[in-house]
Amino acid sequence: EDQVTQSPEALRLQEGESSSLNCSYTVSGLRGLFWYRQDPGKGPEFLFTLYSAGEEKEKERLKATLTKKESFLHITAPKPEDSATYLCAVWAGTASKLTFGTGTRLQVTL
Amino acid sequence: AAGVIQSPRHLIKEKRETATLKCYPIPRHDTVYWYQQGPGQDPQFLISFYEKMQSDKGSIPDRFSAQQFSDYHSELNMSSLELGDSALYFCASSWGGGATDTQYFGPGTRLTVL
Repeated sequence: EDQVTQSPEALRLQEGESSSLNCSYTVSGLRGLFWYRQDPGKGPEFLFTLYSAGEEKEKERLKATLTKKESFLHITAPKPEDSATYLCAVWAGTASKLTFGTGTRLQVTL
Repeated sequence: AAGVIQSPRHLIKEKRETATLKCYPIPRHDTVYWYQQGPGQDPQFLISFYEKMQSDKGSIPDRFSAQQFSDYHSELNMSSLELGDSALYFCASSWGGGATDTQYFGPGTRLTVL
């Protein structure tokens, strides 16, 4: 069974304090790893898709990387508006579903 | 850009009642997915449709059924509602049905069962 574990569960940063969120996965036949941002009571907002180890993608203050066992979401000089839950999800095997991790709740304070 | 549309956004029902949730995918997307997210939990996959045929099934109760129509919109029908069905229900859409397609999520329907 596909497993996705995210750490830490919660992270509090000061504005400008860079950090990384981790997503470890155990799947059979990874086809894609996805990062989403979710604000309370709203739908997950797509951030990145990574397909193979060594791949990196960037968007504003966010950078996602992928290895054979885990993915990192690096947040550089975060701002309060980056506060949200960041979800990692994998697409593996022949299934069409995404398997999500439980997310990292990020709070960025002034 | 057009996004996934879900209706209603909020729904309050009594136990044992029925509910119907609707999802309108992004234009030209042919695949729809339904997820359930309980409080403080990650989204759990329920069911998906590609070109109006069921393509995958997850932890969907037998009391729930869904279908995708000729215009690609989808409906999730929930009967004999239980308190534990209270959750956020998300619909997502993609193009292509089964490759490494990005799933784009709607804003969700918050179902409260009293």
